[in-house]
This record gives sequence, structure tokens and C-alpha cells, in this order.
Amino acid sequence: DGGITQSPKYLFRKEGQNVTLSCEQNLNHDAMYWYRQDPGQGLRLIYYSQIVNDFQKGDIAEGYSVSREKKESFPLTVTSAQKNPTAFYLCASSNEGAYEQYFGPGTRLTVT
Amino acid sequence: QKEVEQNSGPLSVPEGAIASLNCTYSDRGSQSFFWYRQYSGKSPELIMFIYSNGDKEDGRFTAQLNKASQYVSLLIRDSQPSDSATYLCAVLPSGSARQLTFGSGTQLTVLP
Repeated sequence: DGGITQSPKYLFRKEGQNVTLSCEQNLNHDAMYWYRQDPGQGLRLIYYSQIVNDFQKGDIAEGYSVSREKKESFPLTVTSAQKNPTAFYLCASSNEGAYEQYFGPGTRLTVT
Repeated sequence: QKEVEQNSGPLSVPEGAIASLNCTYSDRGSQSFFWYRQYSGKSPELIMFIYSNGDKEDGRFTAQLNKASQYVSLLIRDSQPSDSATYLCAVLPSGSARQLTFGSGTQLTVLP
């Protein structure tokens, strides 16, 4: 089955620790995205990548980092510099020539 | 800042009725429009997209686009309790490579 996988589903960390969220897709999509969703709010773009080895900051990139070494993988690192990291993190991808994005199941991160 | 506005709701409709969800956007040059459904605790799921003025129908769902008035709506006919979810409107603003701007969503409840 083609799709987007994110792991883990739930993640708990102590304040001051970096944490990496996984996102993998086997749809052969060229573009991948990371969003953050807070309760009762829409999605805010953190980073996106349209090709391997290239990525751009979104609206709220501070305190986050990404890499795109392979077409199918786009991991997100939440660093200790992120002031309010507790949120629902969503990874998405889109195909070349298309604008619609498809989402993975998400990772719910709780930092205490 | 290019904005997408939605009435947060909650919007309640009886089973079998038509649910009407509205979205306005600030960027007059926006070209592509998307509706996502998000069940509580889950990730967004693409329902429909529309590029041209007018109506686009898919089963019980109809998307309506009016670029002159800068609004896009989603009609759900014969609403079912399983349609109860938050509906997110997303827009591709002018000048955007492929980054979508999301509204904060409208919570819909279909009452049995």
C-alpha cells in the first residue's frame, strides 16, 4: 500500500532534549512538508522540501531542523530551542505538478 | 499576510440535512482551493479540490468557488453522523511554489 508513515504516534520528552520525528513516504512524491497543529487551530508550516538535499523554512521554522537526504524521507528535529514544542506534528507530501497534499497519521509530542 | 478565514463553529445540522461550510481568503490571486476533513485526534484527509469558478460535485460533496467574492464553500448533502468532523479549507496563494495556507477549520456536528 502506498502512503505516508510517521513514527512514533505518541512521543514524550523532557524539556531541554532534542527529539526527531520520522516521516517516510512510498508515493514517489517529490515534495514533502512538516506542519504543526495546536488545539483548535489550523496547520502552520514549519519546513518544506521540493527536491532531495534542498528545503526551505516555513512560517514557524525557529527551533526546528530538517534534512532531505532521500526522496522518501523527511525527518524533523525539534530542538531544545523551540519554546512550546508540545503539539500535533503532521507530515505531508505532494506529487510533481500537483498542489494537493496528502497527510501522514501524525505524531503527538508532549514535552514536560 | 495571506489569510484564510473560516467560522470555527460548532455548526450543528440534523441527519439528512445539507451542511454548508464557508471559507474566505484574502489573496485575490489564489488559484487552487482544497477541503480537508479531520476527525478528532486524526490527520486531515483530502475531500475535494477546485480550481475553476463554479461548482464541482463528488458524491454527496459539492465545492463552490467564487473568485470575484473570494470565497469557497463546501456543501454536504444528506449529512450523516459520520460526517461529524472539523473541515479545513486550504488555499494556494499567488506566488507560492506549492505551500498551502490553511484556515483554522469549522467543527461540524451531524445530529442523529
